[in-house]
Amino acid sequence: QKEVEQNSGPLSVPEGAIASLNCTYSDRGSQSFFWYRQYSGKSPELIMSIYSNGDKEDGRFTAQLNKASQYVSLLIRDSQPSDSATYLCAVNSNTDKLIFGTGTRLQVFP
Amino acid sequence: NAGVMQNPRHLVRRRGQEARLRCSPMKGHSHVYWYRQLPEEGLKFMVYLQKENIIDESGMPKERFSAEFPKEGPSILRIQQVVRGDSAAYFCASSPRPGTGAGANVLTFGAGSRLTVL
Repeated sequence: QKEVEQNSGPLSVPEGAIASLNCTYSDRGSQSFFWYRQYSGKSPELIMSIYSNGDKEDGRFTAQLNKASQYVSLLIRDSQPSDSATYLCAVNSNTDKLIFGTGTRLQVFP
Repeated sequence: NAGVMQNPRHLVRRRGQEARLRCSPMKGHSHVYWYRQLPEEGLKFMVYLQKENIIDESGMPKERFSAEFPKEGPSILRIQQVVRGDSAAYFCASSPRPGTGAGANVLTFGAGSRLTVL
């Protein structure tokens, strides 16, 4: 079992729709959870961090964490073509390194 | 306030040569991480360092790869006797602190160094 699993996609949504990205992780001891966005040929940039169960909202982005189910998700409301990128889920390990999923490619079409 | 600085941005080496990649963390950050990304793949953890200490090198290949973060100067990822399979983007990231709680483990990435082995 991979430590952090994501559907590779692509996930295609029309402009203005809600994009839902999902991630599961295997280490029950993980405490820190992150979503990074990576445009093609660029470096990852932090979108959201979440540390406790529930929802965390920041503008059009909402991160959701359920530690009992070992599940973290990212919702993007009012999706824009500029949101088209690969979204990487990252989870900390017991040695404080971040383990990344392989990413979900999101395509927002006009 | 400069971010994470990596150089060179692009490096071309022939098989058997050595590659040295450098990373200067953000000001105030004392934790450095190296990741490798192959085309169309995710980020693979390689090594986590603090000043003068390797904390976790579980992702480093057993041979040819080494990393250091000296008391003065940048962190260096060194690849000896490169092979074509080493061609990848190598990203460095830094963070202010590990541990738990809000703000912990937040990584800021550099622009990456893209290694091409001919």
